[in-house]
Amino acid sequence: AQSVAQPEDQVNVAEGNPLTVKCTYSVSGNPYLFWYVQYPNRGLQFLLKYITGDNLVKGSYGFEAEFNKSQTSFHLKKPSALVSDSALYFCAVNAGGGNKLTFGTGTQLKVEL
Amino acid sequence: DAGVTQSPTHLIKTRGQQVTLRCSPKSGHDTVSWYQQALGQGPQFIFQYYEEEERQRGNFPDRFSGHQFPNYSSELNVNALLLGDSALYLCASSFGRSSSYEQYFGPGTRLTVT
Repeated sequence: AQSVAQPEDQVNVAEGNPLTVKCTYSVSGNPYLFWYVQYPNRGLQFLLKYITGDNLVKGSYGFEAEFNKSQTSFHLKKPSALVSDSALYFCAVNAGGGNKLTFGTGTQLKVEL
Repeated sequence: DAGVTQSPTHLIKTRGQQVTLRCSPKSGHDTVSWYQQALGQGPQFIFQYYEEEERQRGNFPDRFSGHQFPNYSSELNVNALLLGDSALYLCASSFGRSSSYEQYFGPGTRLTVT
């Protein structure tokens, strides 16, 4: 079985400050890890993924994520937050083959002026 | 380049009725997956279609069924609707079934069961 945990329901950060959205996972075997963002009344938009190789993955809109195998984590980061980054962020894992993504419960990011 | 499209946008049904949701994948994609997103939750995988066959299924009852057409578009059917079926239904497409491929999501269909 595969599972994802996002321990924070909400993260608040001031514009211009760095942000981190946390994600830990549990799988049997090697994981493929993804981050998606969801704006109100919209579908999910793909941000980035980790497949193999470099533990630091760069994605869209200046976001990056760090894969840590020993801590089974895949935290999403951005050096300087924007108000427009405010949205719902989902971490997802796929380790079972096929297209089945298992999502976390989501973290609401609020970036304030 | 058109992304994933879904119809209708919103739908209201009564308990016991049947509903059909539709999805057109992103251009060049041949695999379609469906997810259910209840309010305040992450999406839950329903099933995946590839080459017009259901290839993988999540933990959903047989009331949930689907179809994929030769042009790769897909339908999700739900029979005997329950109040608990109220959710946002998301369609996602990818090129192929590899676990490493990212999926592109449509805007969803908001289903309300009364």
